[in-house]
Amino acid sequence: QKEVEQNSGPLSVPEGAIASLNCTYSDRVSQSFFWYRQYSGKSPELIMSIYSNGDKEDGRFTAQLNKASQYVSLLIRDSQPSDSATYLCAVTQGAQKLVFGQGTRLTINP
Amino acid sequence: GAVVSQHPSWVICKSGTSVKIECRSLDFQATTMFWYRQFPKQSLMLMATSNEGSKATYEQGVEKDKFLINHASLTLSTLTVTSAHPEDSSFYICSARVNPGFSGANVLTFGAGSRLTVL
Repeated sequence: QKEVEQNSGPLSVPEGAIASLNCTYSDRVSQSFFWYRQYSGKSPELIMSIYSNGDKEDGRFTAQLNKASQYVSLLIRDSQPSDSATYLCAVTQGAQKLVFGQGTRLTINP
Repeated sequence: GAVVSQHPSWVICKSGTSVKIECRSLDFQATTMFWYRQFPKQSLMLMATSNEGSKATYEQGVEKDKFLINHASLTLSTLTVTSAHPEDSSFYICSARVNPGFSGANVLTFGAGSRLTVL
C-alpha cells in the first residue's frame, strides 16, 4: 500500500464548477497535511495546509480532513482554466519528512 | 515571503561528468533542506535530508556516494550528481522549511527546480 494515494486522473471539470480532489494516507500518526499545485515543468507551490479534523477555507479552496478515515480532500469552487494543473497531496511522516502522493491532473474546460 | 533559490534551472551534461546544483534560502536561515527528484508524470520522491553542519540523511535506495550533499551554511545546500548517467536525467527540486518551531513547522517552500539531462 502506498503511503499517500491519489487518483491520478485526469479529472476534467467544466469552468465554474466545483473540482473535488481526494487523498488517503496510511500513517495514522501523521499530523500535518498539505495540498500543493504544480504546473507542468514547474516546482510545487503550497495551496493549503490543514492540521485538525474538519474544514479549512481559503478563498475558493477548501481543505477537508478526517483523521479517523485517514482522508484529506481539496475542493476548488468556481473552477477557472488557470486552475488546470497537477495537485499533490502531501502528508508528514515523522518529525520532518513529507511524503507526496502521485498527484491528480486536473483540467478545467472553458 | 520566504524564497528558495535554486541554480541552475536546467543543465545538460555528458555521461560520466559531475553536476552541482545549488539551493539557497534567500531571506531566512534553513538548518534543514530537502532534496527531491521527480521523473516525468511521477510524484516527488525524497532523496535526502540535508542538515547544516552534519551529514545528510539519505532515503532508502539513494546512493550517498553518487548524490553528494553539502550543507555548509545556514543558507546553502548543494547536491552534486557524480558520474552522471542518462538514467539520472530528472527534475531535481530542493526545499526548505519555513518558520521551524511554528505549528506549521513542516510547511515546505520549494526552489524552482533543476532539470538535468545527461546525454
